Amino acid sequence: QITLKESGPTLVKPTQTLTLTCTISGFSLSTSGVAVGWIRQPPGKALEWLALIYGNDDKRYSPSLKSRLTITKDTSKNQVVLTLTNMDPVDTATYYCVKKRHGDYNYWGQGTLVTVSS
Amino acid sequence: DIVMTQSPDSLAVSLGERATINCKSSQSVLYSSDNRNYLAWYQQKPGQPPKVIIYWASTRESGVPDRFSGSGSGTDFTLTISSLQAEDVAVYYCQQYYSAPPTFGPGTKVEIK
Repeated sequence: QITLKESGPTLVKPTQTLTLTCTISGFSLSTSGVAVGWIRQPPGKALEWLALIYGNDDKRYSPSLKSRLTITKDTSKNQVVLTLTNMDPVDTATYYCVKKRHGDYNYWGQGTLVTVSS
Repeated sequence: DIVMTQSPDSLAVSLGERATINCKSSQSVLYSSDNRNYLAWYQQKPGQPPKVIIYWASTRESGVPDRFSGSGSGTDFTLTISSLQAEDVAVYYCQQYYSAPPTFGPGTKVEIK
């Protein structure tokens, strides 16, 4: 059974760096072709793709956020970590960890709501 | 980036009636080498993460009722719910995965009339 679970702070202050962890089970992050990523959703708004990391450590980022994003993985811990620097209130959103299939995402975590406020 | 648009923003349909949602991409998502449309549909119920219901524009995800169907090619796509059930109340999103970054439509809210 494949599961993904997000963890991290629920509240961050403006200008701080957000660090989110996705803990996966049911598959391996070292398998060729496997990819895990992050998608976010501001309250009441649409989905925005953020970043993706492959089993071979290849990484992809949203062009609009690339300068602020870093995605890494720790295969031994079955974790994928996303950092987003210089947080702003517009970054308030539910952040989802997702598993890529063909290009669609067929496994999602429950999401974690991150609020940016002083 | 490929821009995805959806129409309508919301629709209210009577139980048992047909619901139709449109999705349009700013450029074709049909890959000529495999003749596949790189488009997916998601269903998001309140308080839940999205769930993929259609991929390759018309392939139904395992376990998804056959009242859900996807059609279209190139830049214009449709999600049809042939006979709306109460449990289908949700927001529906289309997503292209033809080119990076993957992009989503703004969503269509489906309610019961």
